[in-house]
Amino acid sequence: DAEITQSPRHKITETGRQVTLACHQTWNHNNMFWYRQDLGHGLRLIHYSYGVQDTNKGEVSDGYSVSRSNTEDLPLTLESAASSQTSVYFCASSAYSGGPYNEQFFGPGTRLTVL
Amino acid sequence: KQEVTQIPAALSVPEGENLVLNCSFTDSAIYNLQWFRQDPGKGLTSLLLIQSSQREQTSGRLNASLDKSSGRSTLYIAASQPGDSATYLCAVTLNQAGTALIFGKGTTLSVSS
Repeated sequence: DAEITQSPRHKITETGRQVTLACHQTWNHNNMFWYRQDLGHGLRLIHYSYGVQDTNKGEVSDGYSVSRSNTEDLPLTLESAASSQTSVYFCASSAYSGGPYNEQFFGPGTRLTVL
Repeated sequence: KQEVTQIPAALSVPEGENLVLNCSFTDSAIYNLQWFRQDPGKGLTSLLLIQSSQREQTSGRLNASLDKSSGRSTLYIAASQPGDSATYLCAVTLNQAGTALIFGKGTTLSVSS
């Protein structure tokens, strides 16, 4: 079955370190998204991509970057981790089309703690 | 700027009760609306997606309605069960298919046996 996976599921790091969170989907979807979820804020968009070599900034993109070299993967990099980036990170994907195929599917999440 | 609001933030009901969760959005120019379920410490599971041209969608005991002109959606859960206990999130996409979701903060439902 097609799926979307994230790794690691849990990560503890120190302030100032570079961290990369992986996202891999086997839906063959063009669109991929990264969100963070925090108490009191809900889910907010970090970055998104509509296809290979395409990346765009979302609402809370400062301190994060993404690159899209193939359809399946959209890794999220924290350039220099800060305590404010302690959060749960979700990756999602959707097909680029109308009709029922623009439903977004989410990965299981990565819980990141920055000490 | 599109804002999505869900009321109430929390809801407790006895098993067997029918209930309604509410979602409102400030900009009626949405492409579609999606309802999700999130269990504690878990990811999001898509429940229903309503296209902007549709009025409702049904899946089992769940029925979601959409009134785009008034900026409202409701999720109706029939004959609630303890297994329905979770946080329910409403989210909208703007303008076209495939764009990012704008989420409400969710309603946490507790169904007691």
